[in-house]
Amino acid sequence: DAMVIQNPRYQVTQFGKPVTLSCSQTLNHNVMYWYQQKSSQAPKLLFHYYDKDFNNEADTPDNFQSRRPNTSFCFLDIRSPGLGDAAMYLCATSFGQGFGNTEAFFGQGTRLTVV
Amino acid sequence: EDQVTQSPEALRLQEGESSSLNCSYTVSGLRGLFWYRQDPGKGPEFLFTLYSAGEEKEKERLKATLTKKESFLHITAPKPEDSATYLCAVQGGNQGGKLIFGQGTELSVKP
Repeated sequence: DAMVIQNPRYQVTQFGKPVTLSCSQTLNHNVMYWYQQKSSQAPKLLFHYYDKDFNNEADTPDNFQSRRPNTSFCFLDIRSPGLGDAAMYLCATSFGQGFGNTEAFFGQGTRLTVV
Repeated sequence: EDQVTQSPEALRLQEGESSSLNCSYTVSGLRGLFWYRQDPGKGPEFLFTLYSAGEEKEKERLKATLTKKESFLHITAPKPEDSATYLCAVQGGNQGGKLIFGQGTELSVKP
């Protein structure tokens, strides 16, 4: 019954070594989000796709990139992870209707450790 | 700029002790306010959506209300299993579906 699936749940990567996190959904939602959440902090929006349109947040570092090859899948690429990028990365989806979106559904997250 | 502030940051209750969590927001053209529950190490779990001032939603021991400036999550006779972080998020107009979160309230309910 999982609707938003993130893989892997835990990822350990070396400082500076590129890493990719994946997200898939079975809800057929047209909006997909990537959030970064550090301990005891609010989820911080990195970027989101509204259909095929990519919306990058102004303060998202260039080190973070995203790809959405089709409706169901979305990837987060970190080109050169630093120690400060260690966090929980959350993928979410919602249905956008122009006048507003439905509630967002989240995956279980990927806990990234940088060593 | 859209902004969401939650208070208190942490709340400790005894089992059965009712209380409320606050979410104050500043947004251009509110399109929706969302409440989530997050357990440690997991993704947020959707609870409620509120769209307009005066709207109320209920689910078991939880009740969410909305005014033009804030939302409250009322917890009636909480149980230890209600312990979690409760997050509030808003979606504003002209934002292309962007969802902005508050920092959350960490609720602990002791037996």
